[in-house]
Amino acid sequence: GNSVTQMEGPVTLSEEAFLTINCTYTATGYPSLFWYVQYPGEGLQLLLKATKADDKGSNKGFEATYRKETTSFHLEKGSVQVSDSAVYFCALNSGYSTLTFGKGTMLLVSP
Amino acid sequence: DGGITQSPKYLFRKEGQNVTLSCEQNLNHDAMYWYRQDPGQGLRLIYYSQIVNDFQKGDIAEGYSVSREKKESFPLTVTSAQKNPTAFYLCASSTRDRVGNQPQHFGDGTRLSIL
Repeated sequence: GNSVTQMEGPVTLSEEAFLTINCTYTATGYPSLFWYVQYPGEGLQLLLKATKADDKGSNKGFEATYRKETTSFHLEKGSVQVSDSAVYFCALNSGYSTLTFGKGTMLLVSP
Repeated sequence: DGGITQSPKYLFRKEGQNVTLSCEQNLNHDAMYWYRQDPGQGLRLIYYSQIVNDFQKGDIAEGYSVSREKKESFPLTVTSAQKNPTAFYLCASSTRDRVGNQPQHFGDGTRLSIL
């Protein structure tokens, strides 16, 4: 079956530091990959997506590249802000819109 | 603005009581989903519906029931058979998509607690 593995948190960084959150997956076929972000007390918001190998998704300074050879979709940002503090979820969809989520990684950014 | 509305934001259940969580969307999406979120466990799929009058069990359907009588609405009932219902419940919707390229849009959730 499908599965997503994310690095455990919390990830604690100072403002303007470089961020990487690792995500690897197991899936049949050729899934689409997503990163969602959840702020405290809220639902999930789509951050970025990639639908085929070597695609790069990007949004609000965040980037992730779909690496089929390593089955990975790591999230990166060059310079984090305090407002980026949230929980980040990696997810995959291999058809009919049924998402499989990782357990989430909490990011804490201090001034 | 189009979106997904979940209500209530907070809900309390007494022992032996059924409670219903509301989810309404005005995005004209065919597919709707219910997830349960527990600390450190990510999101787990309870039920989903790809079209009106049809729905399927997800990974943790026991103790829950749903209906899909209208395209816009997908209420979730937490029955007394669900022995550990305390969690954050999230509703989502998406266009119907065989390939899986379309993202899901989420509501702001309902937090259910036991009295």
